[in-house]
This record gives sequence, C-alpha cells and structure tokens, in this order.
Amino acid sequence: KAGVTQTPRYLIKTRGQQVTLSCSPISGHRSVSWYQQTPGQGLQFLFEYFSETQRNKGNFPGRFSGRQFSNSRSEMNVSTLELGDSALYLCASSQGQGGVKEKLFFGSGTQLSVL
Amino acid sequence: LAKTTQPISMDSYEGQEVNITCSHNNIATNDYITWYQQFPSQGPRFIIQGYKTKVTNEVASLFIPADRKSSTLSLPRVSLSDTAVYYCLVASYNNNDMRFGAGTRLTVKP
Repeated sequence: KAGVTQTPRYLIKTRGQQVTLSCSPISGHRSVSWYQQTPGQGLQFLFEYFSETQRNKGNFPGRFSGRQFSNSRSEMNVSTLELGDSALYLCASSQGQGGVKEKLFFGSGTQLSVL
Repeated sequence: LAKTTQPISMDSYEGQEVNITCSHNNIATNDYITWYQQFPSQGPRFIIQGYKTKVTNEVASLFIPADRKSSTLSLPRVSLSDTAVYYCLVASYNNNDMRFGAGTRLTVKP
C-alpha cells in the first residue's frame, strides 16, 4: 500500500505570494491533518479534516486554510506569505474519524522557503 | 492545555536500554499520549500510544504513572538505526489541540 504522498517536495516563494500544497492519504484513510515543523517552534498542529469537513484547527492565523475532497485528498493554502512561514509542512492520514486515539501516518513533507 | 516538555538530547550505546521521559503536567482526562520517531528528511513515524499504566509493543514500552503527569518511552537494546528524534504528543481534542514536545534527539554510538 502506498504511503502518504505530498507534493511538491520543495517550493520556493516570495513574500506576499500564496501557495497550495497537496496531500494524498493512504488508500482507505479518511482523515487528513496538517502540521508545520520549524527548528524554532517544532511540530505544530494546523488543522484536521474528515469527510470534507474541518474537525479541528490549531492556533494559526486565517492566512492558513485547507480543504478536503470527496476522495479524501487534501490541500492546504497559505496566502500572503511571510518569511516566518518558511517551514516543513507535514500531512498525516489516519483510518478513523480523527481524534486523540488515532495512529497518524505522515508523509515526507513539503519544504517551503519564503524569500 | 498540556504543555509537553522533554530532554533536548540523549546519548546511548548500542545494546543499552534508553528511557526518554516527557512531562505533561496539565494533561486532561481525555488526553492520550503518543510517541513518534523522526529521521532526517522523513515525516514522523508512530511508535506507541497509551492512556495509563504500561503499554508494550514489538519495538517499545510506554510507562504512564497514575497521575499521568509524565510518560516514559523505553527502547530496549538500541541499535545505531535508532538514532533519530523522538516526539511526545499529547492529543486533546476537547481543546482542539495537539501538543507535541520539542523532541529528543537520541544518538546511539557504537
């Protein structure tokens, strides 16, 4: 079974631009969650989707948004990029409906650099 | 919200048992504790999860005392390939939050 696939692997943008990242979950997984990883802040939860609905959201500004499609694939969007948005963005999928007991399967991430 | 605190780094030698402790003083009743392992250029990988007492699987054990204010990941007989960063996660969906620790960089030496 293929793992979680994130595209693109690397991305370079300039301040003020917007970016869309894509995540394909493991086949059969219906929950997708997103995380930001930086050397300074570590791993931080962005949001989680199940059945095309956002179920949980972390403490990030409204510039960060996401969505999930009927095939469980997910995208996240960051508008008006700032230098501080440079990070590794990780997507994870899980089998169930999400929640504290879910075992997360992570992709390798998209490394975003904002210049 | 449960703030998670873990040591920044640890060193060990092949064949030794390694214990990494995570502190989560404000853990809530419905929160679960999960540990992940991360290698460079990869996403984290699930190791073990628990709620209370002791949980064991084929790769690790997780010890959680009765007050649940800390948890200890135990890796038996580590090898060089266990060199990685280990994250403690306290997941609290009542508060719409998943709080990762800063990670412990484990270096296993020959």
